[in-house]
Amino acid sequence: AQTVTQSQPEMSVQEAETVTLSCTYDTSESNYYLFWYKQPPSRQMILVIRQEAYKQQNATENRFSVNFQKAAKSFSLKISDSQLGDTAMYFCAFMKNTGTASKLTFGTGTRLQVTL
Amino acid sequence: GAVVSQHPSRVICKSGTSVKIECRSLDFQATTMFWYRQFPKKSLMLMATSNEGSKATYEQGVEKDKFLINHASLTLSTLTVTSAHPEDSSFYICSAVGSGDEQYFGPGTRLTVT
Repeated sequence: AQTVTQSQPEMSVQEAETVTLSCTYDTSESNYYLFWYKQPPSRQMILVIRQEAYKQQNATENRFSVNFQKAAKSFSLKISDSQLGDTAMYFCAFMKNTGTASKLTFGTGTRLQVTL
Repeated sequence: GAVVSQHPSRVICKSGTSVKIECRSLDFQATTMFWYRQFPKKSLMLMATSNEGSKATYEQGVEKDKFLINHASLTLSTLTVTSAHPEDSSFYICSAVGSGDEQYFGPGTRLTVT
């Protein structure tokens, strides 16, 4: 079974600053995906970024980037130039790559507050 | 983009009654949908995997007779909470899988059992 650990229950960052959210995972699988999802107060889950485990290059999406360390089973999210709209719960998630739809295993989440 | 809806968004029911929650993929077909449960300030826990035309696969510890799932078409899955009790109060979220393997999430349904 897979486990996903987010050790930071809450984080705070000032607007325009950079913040890094941590995530570690445990799996015996070699082929998988990792995700960061954002859940704002509306509760709608929004995909932030996705990383394929077979890719060495770290994924980036505009202000969001990851640091994927496969050997260490670490997958942190960096948010640059933080904006007030980034305030949300952030969940790290793991999914086996089976070639078809597979379930997501979520971490416990990090509540990010962006302040003025 | 891929849109998933849930209905109702909020529901209050009395203890002992049943309530049905719908999950629809609006602009794509989804052979697989997932149902998650989220307690306040907690993570999402997978309840079951719903496959069109076949029986749902439930996660360990989830009572299949209490949480009935029906995936009758490629755009609709329903979750029925039978004989609801206050401890079933929670936020229920569905996701639908499109042509690839990405999951698109619905906006969730808040269930309150009084």
